[in-house]
Amino acid sequence: QKEVEQNSGPLSVPEGAIASLNCTYSDRGSQSFFWYRQYSGKSPELIMSIYSNGDKEDGRFTAQLNKASQYVSLLIRDSQPSDSATYLCAVRFAGNEKLTFGTGTRLTIIP
Amino acid sequence: ETGVTQTPRHLVMGMTNKKSLKCEQHLGHNAMYWYKQSAKKPLELMFVYSLEERVENNSVPSRFSPECPNSSHLFLHLHTLQPEDSALYLCASSHTGVGYGYTFGSGTRLTVV
Repeated sequence: QKEVEQNSGPLSVPEGAIASLNCTYSDRGSQSFFWYRQYSGKSPELIMSIYSNGDKEDGRFTAQLNKASQYVSLLIRDSQPSDSATYLCAVRFAGNEKLTFGTGTRLTIIP
Repeated sequence: ETGVTQTPRHLVMGMTNKKSLKCEQHLGHNAMYWYKQSAKKPLELMFVYSLEERVENNSVPSRFSPECPNSSHLFLHLHTLQPEDSALYLCASSHTGVGYGYTFGSGTRLTVV
C-alpha cells in the first residue's frame, strides 16, 4: 500500500514565526509532490509543487524535497493568522496518474 | 466562468432518494476525479476519468454511479445512500501527466438522513 504520512497536529505557531510542515511517502519512485491548503469548510487549493531535490521558493512559502530520505516539507515564513488552515501533502507515485493525499496537518497561527 | 464548478453546494437526501452531483471544468483539462472527504480521514479517491474514459474505480459501492459525457462535465449519480455516506464530495480536474496538480471544485456537502 503506497502511503503519504503527515502529523495531524494541531501545530501552533506564533505570528511572524516560521511554520514547518512535514510529509513522508512510501514509494521511492514517486515523481511529483504537491502542497494544498484547505480552510475549514472549503476545498483544497494548490499552493506549491516540487519535482526535483532541493528547495523551491514562492513568496513566503518554501517547499523542500529530499527523495533519498523520502520526505517533502513546507516552510511558511512570517506566518500570518490567515495561514491558519489544514495543509495537505499529495504525491504522485511512479506509473500512476492519480495523486495520493496525506491526512493533513492542522496549522494554527497565534496572534 | 472559470475553474471547476460544482452544484449543488449542499444536499440533504433521504435514503430512498435519487439525486445527482454535477461538476464542470473550464480549464481545458482532460482528466476529472471524484473524491470523498469525511471528518478525520484522508481524501478518498472514488473515480478517475481520463480522456472521458473511466480508468479507476476504487471499490466504490454501486449506489454511487459516475458519468462523464465529455471532458468538461462529470456527474455522480446517487441512489439508496446510507447515513455513513454523508461527507464532502469534491470534484477535481487536471491535465494528464506527472507534473500536474489538481484543481478542486468547491464541493458538495451531502447529508443523508
